[in-house]
Amino acid sequence: GAVVSQHPSWVICKSGTSVKIECRSLDFQATTMFWYRQFPKQSLMLMATSNEGSKATYEQGVEKDKFLINHASLTLSTLTVTSAHPEDSSFYICSALETSGRNYEQFFGPGTRLTVL
Amino acid sequence: GDSVTQMEGPVTLSEEAFLTINCTYTATGYPSLFWYVQYPGEGLQLLLKATKADDKGSNKGFEATYRKETTSFHLEKGSVQVSDSAVYFCALRAGKSTFGDGTTLTVKP
Repeated sequence: GAVVSQHPSWVICKSGTSVKIECRSLDFQATTMFWYRQFPKQSLMLMATSNEGSKATYEQGVEKDKFLINHASLTLSTLTVTSAHPEDSSFYICSALETSGRNYEQFFGPGTRLTVL
Repeated sequence: GDSVTQMEGPVTLSEEAFLTINCTYTATGYPSLFWYVQYPGEGLQLLLKATKADDKGSNKGFEATYRKETTSFHLEKGSVQVSDSAVYFCALRAGKSTFGDGTTLTVKP
């Protein structure tokens, strides 16, 4: 299947700093990518839908000014956690939608573990 | 809106035991259904999928059948292995997916 990468795989930062997480589709183009957040022993919560060339669509309750999403190309979306605080510590997972086949298929990145001190 | 109800865990089985993890859903239309597996510290991997009613998805000995009449997509495996220990998620749709809460499976030798 198709491959989606995330970078970094883990990051530790101080409170108040900003952190950028990259999501890349390595062997296909993705006009649509998604960002999820996963708390320990919990399910994935959709944060936002990232659309190439346009503004991201955020789910209810997700602060768009805190979680900045940029989808600058057909293979790259970035999530920037601005002014991070300890409560932002979480596992962030992206996915990319592959639409070339008859049925859409979603491929997930390996996740990024963010720890804010 | 969409929702997925997944069998609560954790589930602990002995090697070679039969596995069933229940999943039922509520959705508009006839969405594709998925099972994903997540190993510790990793992202999600697609295990199997079904795109229409009565389809059976299968992979690595796991199976699930898309049952429209019972709005279910239960995951089964006839003989589990220690390496199957992971968290399993049932999900609706490709894209803005709705996930169940996940079921942690531990298989003991």
